[in-house]
Amino acid sequence: QSALTQPRSVSGSPGQSVTISCTGTSGDVGDYDYVSWFQQHPGKAPKLLIYDVTKRPSGVPDRFSGSKSGNTASLTISGLQADDEADYYCSSHAGSYTLLFGGGTKVTV
Amino acid sequence: QVQLVQSGAEVRKPGASVKVSCKAAGYTFTDYYLHWVRQAPGQGLEWMGWINPNSGGTNYAQKFRGWVTMTRDTSISTAYMELDRLKSDDSAVYYCTRSEVGSGSFGDLDYWGQGTLVTVSS
Repeated sequence: QSALTQPRSVSGSPGQSVTISCTGTSGDVGDYDYVSWFQQHPGKAPKLLIYDVTKRPSGVPDRFSGSKSGNTASLTISGLQADDEADYYCSSHAGSYTLLFGGGTKVTV
Repeated sequence: QVQLVQSGAEVRKPGASVKVSCKAAGYTFTDYYLHWVRQAPGQGLEWMGWINPNSGGTNYAQKFRGWVTMTRDTSISTAYMELDRLKSDDSAVYYCTRSEVGSGSFGDLDYWGQGTLVTVSS
């Protein structure tokens, strides 16, 4: 299986909004509402930001929001802050209780 | 508090095997799947599979079937990932992470270990 497709990089100024896309197929993103998003700072473990397409774990600011349309999921970061500069990964259920990650997107603030 | 504590860095020669451990604390070990995810230097995340600590059942990504083995020891709340026939491109940071069994979700990997660097070099 190929990785989900994400843009390599996106950028924005402090206070702006950015959106990261995650494109899969009808066998993964399109078929299941089990899309998650993770933030990873250099040298650190990933951190869960969004699960089940739109849900936020406790402690994650509501500046982070998720959505999905067809085979493409999206993560929107509103009110961009300096600390949001990191790598972001999407993942999706890919059938038979397997997971598939995206290639990652570097966000520059 | 919830913690996943992994074993230390390893160096192996090509063709050897490596076994990484992940000790869970702060929650009921058998209530959460333990997943393994790896990240090669400068690369993205790659899901390897999971183990259900309650039943011992496993589910491996197709790429890793036949050369990864995930096990657990419930008496010490520890999961293990063993990778055989190592090649240089298996050099990566290996993470353990968890998701709740029977939550109705999948892929909500909420806590992660600190990562274990495995270097494969002759």
